[in-house]
Amino acid sequence: AQKITQTQPGMFVQEKEAVTLDCTYDTSDPSYGLFWYKQPSSGEMIFLIYQGSYDQQNATEGRYSLNFQKARKSANLVISASQLGDSAMYFCAMRERQAQNYGQNFVFGPGTRLSVLP
Amino acid sequence: EPEVTQTPSHQVTQMGQEVILRCVPISNHLYFYWYRQILGQKVEFLVSFYNNEISEKSEIFDDQFSVERPDGSNFTLKIRSTKLEDSAMYFCASSTRDRGRDPHNEQFFGPGTRLTVL
Repeated sequence: AQKITQTQPGMFVQEKEAVTLDCTYDTSDPSYGLFWYKQPSSGEMIFLIYQGSYDQQNATEGRYSLNFQKARKSANLVISASQLGDSAMYFCAMRERQAQNYGQNFVFGPGTRLSVLP
Repeated sequence: EPEVTQTPSHQVTQMGQEVILRCVPISNHLYFYWYRQILGQKVEFLVSFYNNEISEKSEIFDDQFSVERPDGSNFTLKIRSTKLEDSAMYFCASSTRDRGRDPHNEQFFGPGTRLTVL
């Protein structure tokens, strides 16, 4: 079973409009972290936003906010006022707490390619 | 701002040759990771490293792979005998010690090394 699902392989949005990128996850661990990364065409991975499983409030970072619905196991990324420079791949990732494991790797979703139109 | 660096940015090698990919994690970080991303696909975890030993590895990380922290700054990934399917972008990442046992730490990614196996 996929741990992270991103059902939108590609999305288009008009410049200055808001867009929501979907992410659902699967875990039985009560303690986990959810992350969004942006990967522009140059290839680097840029951290955008983080949401902890125990956080009561939705995370926000500038134009990025995370719509965290724990019961539905979803962590959608909302980008407000889209800019041309937002065109990139966006990856949702999860990190679970595993009692004996201090390595705690990320599991990434397949990504959503966002294209911002002028 | 401190960042993870990786060298080389692009490595071309012949099938069967050994390659060493180099990473310099952020200096006060204690956890180190390697991920790979085959072109057009999602990012996959390879290995995590803490306290001079592997703490977790995926099924991708077979006997052809090894990691080493040869000194206080470098973290290397060696592929002993490269195969065509090893062609991918390889990302190094690092993170600080986890607060308690919560996995709520961002990982900082390097810019990646694009490995091409001919």
